[in-house]
Amino acid sequence: DQQVKQNSPSLSVQEGRISILNCDYTNSMFDYFLWYKKYPAEGPTFLISISSIKDKNEDGRFTVFLNKSAKHLSLHIVPSQPGDSAVYFCAASVYNNNDMRFGAGTRLTVKP
Amino acid sequence: DAGVIQSPRHEVTEMGQEVTLRCKPISGHNSLFWYRQTMMRGLELLIYFNNNVPIDDSGMPEDRFSAKMPNASFSTLKIQPSEPRDSAVYFCASGLNTEAFFGQGTRLTVV
Repeated sequence: DQQVKQNSPSLSVQEGRISILNCDYTNSMFDYFLWYKKYPAEGPTFLISISSIKDKNEDGRFTVFLNKSAKHLSLHIVPSQPGDSAVYFCAASVYNNNDMRFGAGTRLTVKP
Repeated sequence: DAGVIQSPRHEVTEMGQEVTLRCKPISGHNSLFWYRQTMMRGLELLIYFNNNVPIDDSGMPEDRFSAKMPNASFSTLKIQPSEPRDSAVYFCASGLNTEAFFGQGTRLTVV
């Protein structure tokens, strides 16, 4: 049962443009959401998170938006850079519950 | 801290053999997770421990899979007997309430 879904397996954008990665979840109990970035041959690394009490969290070029009613979140990267090319995983959990569920990942390619 | 340490980094084994993957979490973290990464399903949670106690193992695919955490600094994931469809990258992660920190993974190939 995929509780967290990333329906786009890949995304390609031009350097300098905006990258938008999407994620949907089904479990209404989730109240904490994270994005991880993964380079080849490395483990995923934490990128940014958002609590359900917010609808937006920004960190430099990265912004995560949360739409609780739609059970949808998105990650915006602007401007995109070639070094952002990686697989991005969306994750969701119940805060302090430690049961973190991941989506299948979206491979982002930023072309110079 | 060196981060989450997994061993081996690569494992190639024959079908039917026993495979043991090892993980050393970050000191002080109270949660430990085992994930399997596949092309189709991304990162699947296999099992997680809280304070060395298994909390949810519903993601363990079959009885051939077992995981232990005998103490706060060590965990193993065992597959016995291994099958070709078990080939994947297995990640261990540790965390403290919210964010999880991942190891570099073990790439398992069962031939």
